[in-house]
Amino acid sequence: IAGITQAPTSQILAAGRRMTLRCTQDMRHNAMYWYRQDLGLGLRLIHYSNTAGTTGKGEVPDGYSVSRANTDDFPLTLASAVPSQTSVYFCASSPQGGEDEQFFGPGTRLTVL
Amino acid sequence: GQNIDQPTEMTATEGAIVQINCTYQTSGFNGLFWYQQHAGEAPTFLSYNVLDGLEEKGRFSSFLSRSKGYSYLLLKELQMKDSASYLCAGLDSNYQLIWGAGTKLIIKP
Repeated sequence: IAGITQAPTSQILAAGRRMTLRCTQDMRHNAMYWYRQDLGLGLRLIHYSNTAGTTGKGEVPDGYSVSRANTDDFPLTLASAVPSQTSVYFCASSPQGGEDEQFFGPGTRLTVL
Repeated sequence: GQNIDQPTEMTATEGAIVQINCTYQTSGFNGLFWYQQHAGEAPTFLSYNVLDGLEEKGRFSSFLSRSKGYSYLLLKELQMKDSASYLCAGLDSNYQLIWGAGTKLIIKP
């Protein structure tokens, strides 16, 4: 692995189903983030983690949960998907957060029908 | 409230210069980022300004005025590969990024 990866690349999901988006980085970065990007809107922060074992809520956390069991992985779970969660999801990491540059994964395109 | 404003779309000619403006209102302010995002790809870092003034990095420069809540990204000697969206983001008092919707830059030959 080089950098930050996400899986799956894209997914079509029926409403009401549970879905976990995976994110893994091998840069030993402490901070990790989940964003959603919708047409005409800026990136919006869903959840973040400043270091392994801690998580926090961003601007749009409802309907999503995260965990940070170790430094490398930061999965995002949709407990019961709804059509409004159709979006492109980006995972990002940065060495210490704050003013550090964020490195983004390639994104997951999710469609909820 | 927190807000980042930037133009939705701009068009420029190959070889020319273009300036993309960004105004911001954030609760507290800890700096201003610019990212580039090609269609269908992830954002990539361009610049970070926390002090007033101009920072130059090759063909790209970024300017910040904290007193005016204003920044711009200046792209010189435009190339076709510069066709992309340019995202402005302010770092707020919680050290979280507040993102603008992005400016789509179209380069014409």
